[in-house]
Amino acid sequence: ETGVTQSPTHLIKTRGQQVTLRCSSQSGHNTVSWYQQALGQGPQFIFQYYREEENGRGNFPPRFSGLQFPNYSSELNVNALELDDSALYLCASSLDQGLAGIWQFFGPGTRLTVL
Amino acid sequence: AQSVTQPDIHITVSEGASLELRCNYSYGATPYLFWYVQSPGQGLQLLLKYFSGDTLVQGIKGFEAEFKRSQSSFNLRKPSVHWSDAAEYFCAVGARDDKIIFGKGTRLHILP
Repeated sequence: ETGVTQSPTHLIKTRGQQVTLRCSSQSGHNTVSWYQQALGQGPQFIFQYYREEENGRGNFPPRFSGLQFPNYSSELNVNALELDDSALYLCASSLDQGLAGIWQFFGPGTRLTVL
Repeated sequence: AQSVTQPDIHITVSEGASLELRCNYSYGATPYLFWYVQSPGQGLQLLLKYFSGDTLVQGIKGFEAEFKRSQSSFNLRKPSVHWSDAAEYFCAVGARDDKIIFGKGTRLHILP
């Protein structure tokens, strides 16, 4: 059984560019949640996908969007990058579609730096 | 407004000493409560969670936490810390149909 994996590990972009981050959920999990963790802060909920549909969203602008595929892997897309988007992006998968992710398992994250 | 407060940004304890990390929350109903640990370069690992029932919750790695409704607190404890416990600890609150909210974290340092 594989855990949650994320790619890439690190990424450097410039302001205004677009980025796609990827997450492979743990085997058998149908729910993926994305979080942004800025330096010195706790993770903030971006959105959750359950069976390919968005199931809830935090206070993030529309330029943050996502997808979930039939195999339950997921992508986070961020358009028009801003300096404040620099953060660790965490993906978590679970079998429970509840937003609190009671049984969620986290990946190691993607460190995004926007210059 | 829903919020989680971890009053201590950094805590330093000696190896073998006891530990208590504080967490206070503000939430409209009885929430789900969580403690997560994050080691450098790692994702979050769930230490323990409280939904209902016994207010003293046992977790992994020898950690426990106590839910005190009257104080809106969910403090994490460990009777004897190990050097490997050095990490960042996050308290979080949520509900089944509501997103999880994390505190800002407490960085735990262990003295040899």
